[in-house]
Amino acid sequence: DAGVIQSPRHEVTEMGQEVTLRCKPISGHDYLFWYRQTMMRGLELLIYFNNNVPIDDSGMPEDRFSAKMPNASFSTLKIQPSEPRDSAVYFCASRADSKNIQYFGAGTRLSVL
Amino acid sequence: AQSVTQPDIHITVSEGASLELRCNYSYGATPYLFWYVQSPGQGLQLLLKYFSGDTLVQGIKGFEAEFKRSQSSFNLRKPSVHWSDAAEYFCAVEGGSYIPTFGRGTSLIVHP
Repeated sequence: DAGVIQSPRHEVTEMGQEVTLRCKPISGHDYLFWYRQTMMRGLELLIYFNNNVPIDDSGMPEDRFSAKMPNASFSTLKIQPSEPRDSAVYFCASRADSKNIQYFGAGTRLSVL
Repeated sequence: AQSVTQPDIHITVSEGASLELRCNYSYGATPYLFWYVQSPGQGLQLLLKYFSGDTLVQGIKGFEAEFKRSQSSFNLRKPSVHWSDAAEYFCAVEGGSYIPTFGRGTSLIVHP
């Protein structure tokens, strides 16, 4: 398996623009997680899905952030409008079930100018 | 609620020296415990995990960790560090929710 695949790897955009980050989990994994990593706050869980259904989105910073999982093999994290403070590395991770480990993608480094 | 503390932000060791990275957790029962490593520009990779049983856990790349319930600790060790071990190391704890909480990480610097 190719592992968790995220795209793009790097994204540079201007304040106010819409940003869409993409994730393809490992086939057969029931759980999908979105994290944000910054120097100030470390690794934060934004939202996670189980069987394509959002279970906990309490970590989503505000209404500008939204996440979807239309099917078992694809998820998006959207920021609209983007702000400079959204600059971070965003990771996607997937997991086979609740008693297994998470596998992380390589991340998307987002820079909002 | 679960939490994890990695007291050391940076650790510097010489190549060939031994290594111990500290991790303390807070959880009411026996949790699941993990150590991940993150190389620059990469995602987190699992080094080892503790679910139950033997409290000394062996992982990849020659790493091991010991679960000490009395100290609420899960320290990571390696007897001889290689330059390629330079990376960020994260300890994580999982309780009943099966959703991990990650520490802030420890940056390992290896001197030649």
